[in-house]
Amino acid sequence: AQSVTQLGSHVSVSEGALVLLRCNYSSSVPPYLFWYVQYPNQGLQLLLKYTSAATLVKGINGFEAEFKKSETSFHLTKPSAHMSDAAEYFCAVSWRGGPGGFKTIFGAGTRLFVKA
Amino acid sequence: EAQVTQNPRYLITVTGKKLTVTCSQNMNHEYMSWYRQDPGLGLRQIYYSMNVEVTDKGDVPEGYKVSRKEKRNFPLILESPSPNQTSLYFCASSRTGDSGNTIYFGEGSWLTVV
Repeated sequence: AQSVTQLGSHVSVSEGALVLLRCNYSSSVPPYLFWYVQYPNQGLQLLLKYTSAATLVKGINGFEAEFKKSETSFHLTKPSAHMSDAAEYFCAVSWRGGPGGFKTIFGAGTRLFVKA
Repeated sequence: EAQVTQNPRYLITVTGKKLTVTCSQNMNHEYMSWYRQDPGLGLRQIYYSMNVEVTDKGDVPEGYKVSRKEKRNFPLILESPSPNQTSLYFCASSRTGDSGNTIYFGEGSWLTVV
């Protein structure tokens, strides 16, 4: 069965500090992995995705994530946090199969706070 | 501009009063779905649709109905809302055929059932 776990419901960093948001997944089939970001009062939007090409994926706003199959992880990082990065971040795993053609499940989310 | 539009954005209703949340997308996507977002639970899929007249249950379908009469529209119907359906709802769409496709979300509908 597929699952996705985000470690830490809240993460707080200082402006300019490294951002690290953790995501671990479990999948019996080759997964596609995503990070979505939700700004206040908005819907989710794609930050980056891994679709079996390069294991290091670069996204918008300076974020990147590395797919590590041996660790079943897809952690999100940004070298230097900015106040505008304060948002909720969702890791998601998608795979082929099921009656819908494909299935996507989301982690519980990690809220990122950035301190001045 | 590529958009998923849902209405209303905010609604307070009373138990048992039927309501419909509309959803429309302008990207000609085959796949549409509804999610609810609750604290600590992330997003959970309510219903999805592979194409016109093709719908199926997601993970938490109880108390909800959907229809897909046109490709662009996918309304969510609560026939008899109850307080446990108080939540933030998102409509979403994507292309089908590839599980690596990006999902596009609406801005969300805050529903409170009293």
